[in-house]
Amino acid sequence: QKEVEQDPGPLSVPEGAIVSLNCTYSNSAFQYFMWYRQYSRKGPELLMYTYSSGNKEDGRFTAQVDKSSKYISLFIRDSQPSDSATYLCAMTLVDTGRRALTFGSGTRLQVQP
Amino acid sequence: ETGVTQSPTHLIKTRGQQVTLRCSSQSGHNTVSWYQQALGQGPQFIFQYYREEENGRGNFPPRFSGLQFPNYSSELNVNALELDDSALYLCASSLAPGPGETQYFGPGTRLLVL
Repeated sequence: QKEVEQDPGPLSVPEGAIVSLNCTYSNSAFQYFMWYRQYSRKGPELLMYTYSSGNKEDGRFTAQVDKSSKYISLFIRDSQPSDSATYLCAMTLVDTGRRALTFGSGTRLQVQP
Repeated sequence: ETGVTQSPTHLIKTRGQQVTLRCSSQSGHNTVSWYQQALGQGPQFIFQYYREEENGRGNFPPRFSGLQFPNYSSELNVNALELDDSALYLCASSLAPGPGETQYFGPGTRLLVL
């Protein structure tokens, strides 16, 4: 079993829809949670970064963390065709002196105009 | 401010050969991490360098090795290439090695092993 599970999609939605992307994890020692966006043949780009349980909002993006359920989500409001990309969840441990990110396998999102 | 850059962008090698990939950190960043991303998968941590010393390693064999230079640029070397080494290799830099620091990724080097 992978430490971080993420539905690979693809997820296809019409422009303007609300998108929900999710990851579950098995290691309760994960404490920092991130969402990266990766366009085709590009490196990942950090979208959201959270530490505590609850919601964090940034423009059209909301990151949600539920540590008790080991479940994180990314919501995209008013989705645009430019949001079409692969979304990777990532997390890291708090008790190490290094910051090795453990990634999900990514969800491919297509927003249809 | 210059972001993370990597070279070359693409590379084709044959099985058994050796390869060196290069990364220039974002200005002011002293920590570099390398990741391997196979097609359709998330990146997997190879190792991290902090102030020219290896600072943690993932589940990769010793034929994957690295260097960090005084200007904080970095190299990833892979010996005895195998077909399964075909992947996108990503470099990420951060201000420091701790878990609270954001990692910024370069565009990657796409390696194909034939």
